[in-house]
Amino acid sequence: DGGITQSPKYLFRKEGQNVTLSCEQNLNHDAMYWYRQDPGQGLRLIYYSQIVNDFQKGDIAEGYSVSREKKESFPLTVTSAQKNPTAFYLCASSATGLDNQPQHFGDGTRLSIL
Amino acid sequence: AQSVTQLDSHVSVSEGTPVLLRCNYSSSYSPSLFWYVQHPNKGLQLLLKYTSAATLVKGINGFEAEFKKSETSFHLTKPSAHMSDAAEYFCVVTPLNTGFQKLVFGTGTRLLVSP
Repeated sequence: DGGITQSPKYLFRKEGQNVTLSCEQNLNHDAMYWYRQDPGQGLRLIYYSQIVNDFQKGDIAEGYSVSREKKESFPLTVTSAQKNPTAFYLCASSATGLDNQPQHFGDGTRLSIL
Repeated sequence: AQSVTQLDSHVSVSEGTPVLLRCNYSSSYSPSLFWYVQHPNKGLQLLLKYTSAATLVKGINGFEAEFKKSETSFHLTKPSAHMSDAAEYFCVVTPLNTGFQKLVFGTGTRLLVSP
């Protein structure tokens, strides 16, 4: 079955620590996205990538970094500079970056502070 | 600029009764509109999408939505609620035919279904 796999499902971060969230897709999609979800705020875009080796900041990129070395993979690093990282993180992909192609979502990673 | 307003943070219905989840949008361009559903601790699943074809859009699980340009609305309906419909629903807008798909999400409506 094609889909998006996010791991781990739950993650805990210590003060001053960087953590990396994994996102892998086997849908052969060009575009990939990272969102942050907080209660009552809907989803906010962190970073997106339309093609391998290229990515752009979204609305709330501060304290986060990404890479796109392979078409299938788009890992997100939550750095120590992100002072409020507790949230539910969702990865998505779409066939292209165009508006008529719906985004497909993974099942998310819940990040908490120890 | 685009924005989405979901008019109810919570909607409660009884099983077997109709569902109405309200969404109003604002867009500088002709919009694409989507409804997604999210079950607890899961990702978002696409219910339906509008991209300037028919104004009445049918989706999965018996849901449908009607695009009304004059009212800038895209309300989600279902004739008869099922217990499995209990979830959070998001209305989403993106400008049509402008290149990159940046989605703008509403804040969500939690649907509660009682027996």
